[in-house]
Amino acid sequence: EVQVVESGGGLVQPGGSLRLSCAASGFIFSTYAMNWVRLAPGKGLEWVSAISGGADRTYYTDSVKGRFTVSRDNSRNTLYLQMNSLRVEDTAIYYCAKDGLGTTTSNWFDPWGQGTLVTVSS
Amino acid sequence: DIVMTQSPDFLAVSLGERATINCKSSQSVLYSSNNKNYLAWYQQKPGQPPKLLIYWASTRESGVPDRFSGSGSGTDFTLTISSLQAEDVAVYYCQQYYTTPITFGQGTRLEIK
Repeated sequence: EVQVVESGGGLVQPGGSLRLSCAASGFIFSTYAMNWVRLAPGKGLEWVSAISGGADRTYYTDSVKGRFTVSRDNSRNTLYLQMNSLRVEDTAIYYCAKDGLGTTTSNWFDPWGQGTLVTVSS
Repeated sequence: DIVMTQSPDFLAVSLGERATINCKSSQSVLYSSNNKNYLAWYQQKPGQPPKLLIYWASTRESGVPDRFSGSGSGTDFTLTISSLQAEDVAVYYCQQYYTTPITFGQGTRLEIK
């Protein structure tokens, strides 16, 4: 079964840091781009970041550029999101999602993990 | 950035009736070299992650009931549920993957009338 499971969320003060992890199983991890998508309270889905299968290409939405870093360890089948300089508006459920097609750029997302909650508050 | 706009924001439909959700992109998501529309639809139920329903605008994901269908091309797309079931209550999102940043519509909340 293809599965992705997030961890690492929690409560952090504004300006703080957090690292999210996403453990993947059931597919050849290194051949698929991976993504982070978030759902803020009362808002809709927002794509945050993507990384190619070989980790040679990374992509970010403008609001997190320079603060968040996506990476992956293909030997451990794990995706990461290092979040620095966190802001109140970063509060959201963060989902890890596998690319649906398996190319270097993102396409549709399938499957999604259950998500991990990040709360930025003083 | 490509802006995705869904309509309506909220929809109430009787059981067994048709539900139609629209999605409009601010620029075409049709890639001329392969004639494919880079558009997907998702269903998100409360407390659950989004679930893929449709990709390439009209290709139904394996296991998705055939009452769900997608149509449209270029900038205008539609998700249709032919006969609404109780388990279809959810928020539905369209998503373009034509270019980064990947963008979603604001969501349409579907409930039973």
